[in-house]
Amino acid sequence: NAGVMQNPRHLVRRRGQEARLRCSPMKGHSHVYWYRQLPEEGLKFMVYLQKENIIDESGMPKERFSAEFPKEGPSILRIQQVVRGDSAAYFCASSPATRSSYEQYFGPGTRLTVT
Amino acid sequence: GENVEQHPSTLSVQEGDSAVIKCTYSDSASNYFPWYKQELGKGPQLIIDIRSNVGEKKDQRIAVTLNKTAKHFSLHITETQPEDSAVYFCAASSYRGQNFVFGPGTRLSVLP
Repeated sequence: NAGVMQNPRHLVRRRGQEARLRCSPMKGHSHVYWYRQLPEEGLKFMVYLQKENIIDESGMPKERFSAEFPKEGPSILRIQQVVRGDSAAYFCASSPATRSSYEQYFGPGTRLTVT
Repeated sequence: GENVEQHPSTLSVQEGDSAVIKCTYSDSASNYFPWYKQELGKGPQLIIDIRSNVGEKKDQRIAVTLNKTAKHFSLHITETQPEDSAVYFCAASSYRGQNFVFGPGTRLSVLP
């Protein structure tokens, strides 16, 4: 049973370019969460999605950042016009859609470097 | 909103000794408390968790305790091994399926 998959693992973008980060949840999981981790810091929540719905985007910056989880395909975190401060590790987590399950399982992350 | 503090920020122990990491949270509505281990260049790995209706949970060399009155919970690792060296994060969540609030992490070094 494959775990959470993220790609690319490393992404380099110049200031002003767009970054697209992809996340495929574990099989049978329909809830996806995105977190950002700055160097030497903990993880900060960004957005929580279910298929075709954004449930909670309270941690998303108001501009340049967007996320989607379409009916088919992976979840996408999109960062437009990247700036150096966007350099970080971005992690996706997934959980099953059951009342009794609280656990979130993380992918290996995408390390974004903005030059 | 929820705020999670974690101590110590770094911890060095001799192989075979025990390690204890402590976290406090602020939101009394939080009811789920997972612990993650993160190795260099990898994603966080869930190692143990506890729900608010339980005071203690154990899995081999790892245990977690929860004191809801004091709003703190702790991770205990016994008989530490070099492969336990990593950054450990605690987190709190106030309802199922919602975001976790993470502590800042503890870098554990197990010295051979």
